[in-house]
Amino acid sequence: SQQGEEDPQALSIQEGENATMNCSYKTSINNLQWYRQNSGRGLVHLILIRSNEREKHSGRLRVTLDTSKKSSSLLITASRAADTASYFCATVEKYGNKLVFGAGTILRVKS
Amino acid sequence: DAEITQSPRHKITETGRQVTLACHQTWNHNNMFWYRQDLGHGLRLIHYSYGVQDTNKGEVSDGYSVSRSNTEDLPLTLESAASSQTSVYFCASSESISSDTGELFFGEGSRLTVL
Repeated sequence: SQQGEEDPQALSIQEGENATMNCSYKTSINNLQWYRQNSGRGLVHLILIRSNEREKHSGRLRVTLDTSKKSSSLLITASRAADTASYFCATVEKYGNKLVFGAGTILRVKS
Repeated sequence: DAEITQSPRHKITETGRQVTLACHQTWNHNNMFWYRQDLGHGLRLIHYSYGVQDTNKGEVSDGYSVSRSNTEDLPLTLESAASSQTSVYFCASSESISSDTGELFFGEGSRLTVL
């Protein structure tokens, strides 16, 4: 069964706006990762946040992690048409060594 | 540059046939994974390997097998293809996903259609 579940399932915004995607998970984790998938392509790693971290930044990406609520959010600021893709969160369970993915959020950025 | 390649990229087969999807990585990673991706389900883990001669079942392993005879390759075999196995299959590798640098590197996927 899936560990992470993303919300919303789909998101459509205008270029320049911010996009926020949320992920909830069920068990204690070692780390949480976000991936991006362009249509017809493989997944590409965006960012990893460890269980003892609360916030992490990478360029226009900001990830937060709330282990008490078992949730994470991915914020993409000043979105561009090229950000149009599916975004997945994935978790590594505590003491585990495999990545379990959620169903993803489809982001469409309109120019 | 190091990479991970899958072949074939597209395949159409008939019910009951044996199919093998190849995965080759030049990262020299010990960990390799096979996922299937279906609409509404995200990626589900089929099999994984932590090193040569090591294989483990994932959450949807029925009807699939893998073997790991060297570090670079993890072929996925469908012993007797079924229509329910129509999907896009992704291979991935990692150095260590429980560490701070534990990202997965993915292939471009193999789209399999079982008629």
